[in-house]
Amino acid sequence: QLQLQESGPGLVKPSETLSLTCTVSGGSISSSSYYWGWIRQPPGKGLEWIGSIYYSGSTYYNPSLKSRVTISVDTSKNQFSLKLSSVTAADTAVYYCANLYLFDIWGQGTMVTVSS
Amino acid sequence: DIQMTQSPSAMSASVGDRVTITCRASQGISNYLAWFQQKPGKVPKRLIYAASSLQSGVPSRFSGSGSGTEFTLTISSLQPEDFATYYCLQHNSYPRLTFGGGTKVEIK
Repeated sequence: QLQLQESGPGLVKPSETLSLTCTVSGGSISSSSYYWGWIRQPPGKGLEWIGSIYYSGSTYYNPSLKSRVTISVDTSKNQFSLKLSSVTAADTAVYYCANLYLFDIWGQGTMVTVSS
Repeated sequence: DIQMTQSPSAMSASVGDRVTITCRASQGISNYLAWFQQKPGKVPKRLIYAASSLQSGVPSRFSGSGSGTEFTLTISSLQPEDFATYYCLQHNSYPRLTFGGGTKVEIK
């Protein structure tokens, strides 16, 4: 059974870089022909796609975040990661990683607060 | 970029009511649409895929329809456990994705 788990700091200072990792278990990140992704949800608001990555490293980003987002993959660790630079309070959200094959496998989500 | 306009953004309904939620795409997306249910503090749960296919284990009172630019999620008889927020997701431009803004279904 494929499972995803987000990890990373829950508090980030304004202007700094938010870094999160998604660890995939129960399957190989490089074994299938689908993408992996990051999705976020600010408190009380809707879901926002951040970006997607293939195990080869091919990436696609939300145009509204593209200038600040980097998603990378480490197949040896079965992980993929998110970096969001120059964060502000507007980046405070629950961040989810997800398998983008059937969209039915998500991590539990991790709350990241941007505050000094 | 494909935009998804979901309506209404919120609604009040009673147990037993028939509920309809709509998503409109800014351009044709065939049937590359999924519906999710999210309860407070929980991970979104997929209900419908390919616009009208019911996820295994999801009650049959949920149904989806539509193709192209207009899609509907229908709950035929609202149950207490259905009070939640619902989102559509287009993946026609996969792996670029767009969510609808969400519909919060509250108790009348």
